[in-house]
Amino acid sequence: EAGVAQSPRYKIIEKRQSVAFWCNPISGHATLYWYQQILGQGPKLLIQFQNNGVVDDSQLPKDRFSAERLKGVDSTLKIQPAKLEDSAVYLCASTWTGADTQYFGPGTRLTVL
Amino acid sequence: AQSVTQLGSHVSVSEGALVLLRCNYSSSVPPYLFWYVQYPNQGLQLLLKYTSAATLVKGINGFEAEFKKSETSFHLTKPSAHMSDAAEYFCAVSSITGNQFYFGTGTSLTVIP
Repeated sequence: EAGVAQSPRYKIIEKRQSVAFWCNPISGHATLYWYQQILGQGPKLLIQFQNNGVVDDSQLPKDRFSAERLKGVDSTLKIQPAKLEDSAVYLCASTWTGADTQYFGPGTRLTVL
Repeated sequence: AQSVTQLGSHVSVSEGALVLLRCNYSSSVPPYLFWYVQYPNQGLQLLLKYTSAATLVKGINGFEAEFKKSETSFHLTKPSAHMSDAAEYFCAVSSITGNQFYFGTGTSLTVIP
């Protein structure tokens, strides 16, 4: 079974630029999560999707971050414009509806200069 | 509201010694509890989980954890550390619906040969 795929694995941008990350969940997983993991901290949930609908985006900085999952499968997370404090690893996870275990992708490491 | 606290951001043990990583939780509802491991430049991998069945939970790679409601703890243990156990370990809590998933700040385990 293929795991959660994320791309790119690494991204370096300058502040005020825009960036987008892509996630392809495990086939059949209706629930998808985006997390932000700052160095030395645990992952922080940014947004949770159920199919193509948003379940929880209470911790998403909506002035600069956006996410979509238009067809209920792949998802993109965008930052526009990026700030220095956005430097982090962005993790995508997925699971079946109502399941308790999340399966994580390898993450995208973003460096904002 | 739910949260987890991991005591000790860094733990060092000798190869073959007992591993004990501490996690205390706070939850207003019966929690689901998880331990994840993260190797360098990789995503998180589930070690074990507690979902209100047996209080002593056995996971992969010889790890186990015991849910103690009276102490609000879910400490991770392994009788004999191996060099390959060196990694970052995260405790996490969620509600039984799987929403509101919160990670601790992590404990970095170093194994000394």
